[in-house]
Amino acid sequence: KQEVTQIPAALSVPEGENLVLNCSFTDSAIYNLQWFRQDPGKGLTSLLLIQSSQREQTSGRLNASLDKSSGRSTLYIAASQPGDSATYLCAVKETSGSRLTFGEGTQLTVNP
Amino acid sequence: NAGVTQTPKFQVLKTGQSMTLQCAQDMNHNSMYWYRQDPGMGLRLIYYSASEGTTDKGEVPNGYNVSRLNKREFSLRLESAAPSQTSVYFCASSPPDRVFRGNQPQHFGDGTRLSIL
Repeated sequence: KQEVTQIPAALSVPEGENLVLNCSFTDSAIYNLQWFRQDPGKGLTSLLLIQSSQREQTSGRLNASLDKSSGRSTLYIAASQPGDSATYLCAVKETSGSRLTFGEGTQLTVNP
Repeated sequence: NAGVTQTPKFQVLKTGQSMTLQCAQDMNHNSMYWYRQDPGMGLRLIYYSASEGTTDKGEVPNGYNVSRLNKREFSLRLESAAPSQTSVYFCASSPPDRVFRGNQPQHFGDGTRLSIL
């Protein structure tokens, strides 16, 4: 059974710092990996989707990398801002038609 | 752009009561999903519908039923609510996996916060 782990569970950084969030998964035979953002009291918003054949995806100040062989993905946030404060979740998809398996998320606080 | 709309946003029930959570999407998506989110457990799939007229069980279907009323709407019903069903429920939708080879992200509603006493 696929398991997805995100460490740390919570992270607090000063504004302007570059930071990395980690996601690991137990079965490396994944189809894609997705990063989501969740604001308090809200649903999930998709940030980046990395297909199994890709090594990374970028969107603005966000960069997500994927290393299938080691079962790891990282989300890099450059020049963090208070507006980046949220919970970040990763999820893996094992086949094209399968469900997503989610990690529990990393709660990020960026302090002004 | 409404996206995925869930109603109600909050609900308190007594054990044994029934209720239906409503979900509608206006993005012409074929696939729809119901998740629950619990502390320490992450998001878990309850049921999903790959297309109008079809539904399938997810990871935690016991105690729930679903109806895909039409392409836009996918409802989740608790027939006899139990305290263990206290959770935040999310509905999501996505384009069909068979067309986009599963590489389209899911779009989520803002959730229904359900407490069962």
